[in-house]
Amino acid sequence: SQQGEEDPQALSIQEGENATMNCSYKTSINNLQWYRQNSGRGLVHLILIRSNEREKHSGRLRVTLDTSKKSSSLLITASRAADTASYFCATDAGNDMRFGAGTRLTVKP
Amino acid sequence: SQTIHQWPATLVQPVGSPLSLECTVEGTSNPNLYWYRQAAGRGLQLLFYSVGIGQISSEVPQNLSASRPQDRQFILSSKKLLLSDSGFYLCAWSVQGVGNGYTFGSGTRLTVV
Repeated sequence: SQQGEEDPQALSIQEGENATMNCSYKTSINNLQWYRQNSGRGLVHLILIRSNEREKHSGRLRVTLDTSKKSSSLLITASRAADTASYFCATDAGNDMRFGAGTRLTVKP
Repeated sequence: SQTIHQWPATLVQPVGSPLSLECTVEGTSNPNLYWYRQAAGRGLQLLFYSVGIGQISSEVPQNLSASRPQDRQFILSSKKLLLSDSGFYLCAWSVQGVGNGYTFGSGTRLTVV
């Protein structure tokens, strides 16, 4: 069954703007990960944040984690048209990971 | 470097026909292996995972089965496909242990007609 729930389901912005996607989950986790999926392709791992971390950066990506609220956010700064894709959060609580339904991000040039 | 191969990329099968999707990993040993299914515009549903040869855990009772005949080979099968089996099937692997990211294959688009 799914664990994370992304919000919003769809997001449309102009190139250069920042994009923020949120993820909520229900059970205790070891870590939370964000993935990107281009249409009809496999998922690509973007960033992992452990349960004892609160914020992590990777290039134009910034991820926060609030374990008390069971939520995470992914911020993409200075978005580009090439960032257009679906973004999924996934929670790791043991032997496997559970994915949310994703946020479909469209960046208009 | 590690790579994951998944084939075929697309498949159209009639209802009632058998299915065999194969996934192989190179460049690593004793990986965790996973099969996910993604319905159109939806998230991923975990179908099976394996932590070793012959060890299969099933998440959802259904018309599918999985096998791991070799350390780096993971096969998804069905004896008789249903229309509801249509979807995008993704294989993934990870390093054993907690806190490791997954590497996904490129997926198989299965359409049951």
